[in-house]
Amino acid sequence: QQQVKQSPQSLIVQKGGISIINCAYENTAFDYFPWYQQFPGKGPALLIAIRPDVSEKKEGRFTISFNKSAKQFSLHIMDSQPGDSATYFCAAFMYSGGGADGLTFGKGTHLIIQP
Amino acid sequence: EAGVAQSPRYKIIEKRQSVAFWCNPISGHATLYWYQQILGQGPKLLIQFQNNGVVDDSQLPKDRFSAERLKGVDSTLKIQPAKLEDSAVYLCASSFRRTGWEQYFGPGTRLTVT
Repeated sequence: QQQVKQSPQSLIVQKGGISIINCAYENTAFDYFPWYQQFPGKGPALLIAIRPDVSEKKEGRFTISFNKSAKQFSLHIMDSQPGDSATYFCAAFMYSGGGADGLTFGKGTHLIIQP
Repeated sequence: EAGVAQSPRYKIIEKRQSVAFWCNPISGHATLYWYQQILGQGPKLLIQFQNNGVVDDSQLPKDRFSAERLKGVDSTLKIQPAKLEDSAVYLCASSFRRTGWEQYFGPGTRLTVT
């Protein structure tokens, strides 16, 4: 059962535009919602993360918006640049107090920023 | 600070053969994870270690996959025998347990089973 649903699967944005990627989750026990960025041939790298008791978090051009009641969150990339072209994964993390607490990833969004 | 190291970077084997992957996590990270990333999908957790003990291996196909983390540092993941559907990138990650959502990934090993 997929616990984190991500859309769109692919996205093309013009340079300078806003890129928006959406995710929805089912399990309300998740403690953290990070976003990871992956370039071809590399492992995912943490981009930004948010707790479910916060509605928005901004770091530079990257913003997470979180809607706890709707169980949805999204990544906004402002002033998108060609260097932002990558695959983006939303994820969910749950502390288990001694058990497994790995990340549950969405299927990813392949983002292309056209110059 | 050195990142997570993995080797080999690429491996091509025939089905029913065996293969092993190696991972060296970031120094001081007690928690180590192995993920499987099939083309076009997000990484899926296979196994999690805390120091040299297994925390969770519920998604590890134990009839063919095995993993160990001797001395709580390096780890190896083995597949024996490999199947065509095992073709994927195998990612190793490490973290501080108390901030486990912040994981540091290695570059991965791309396995092709023919």
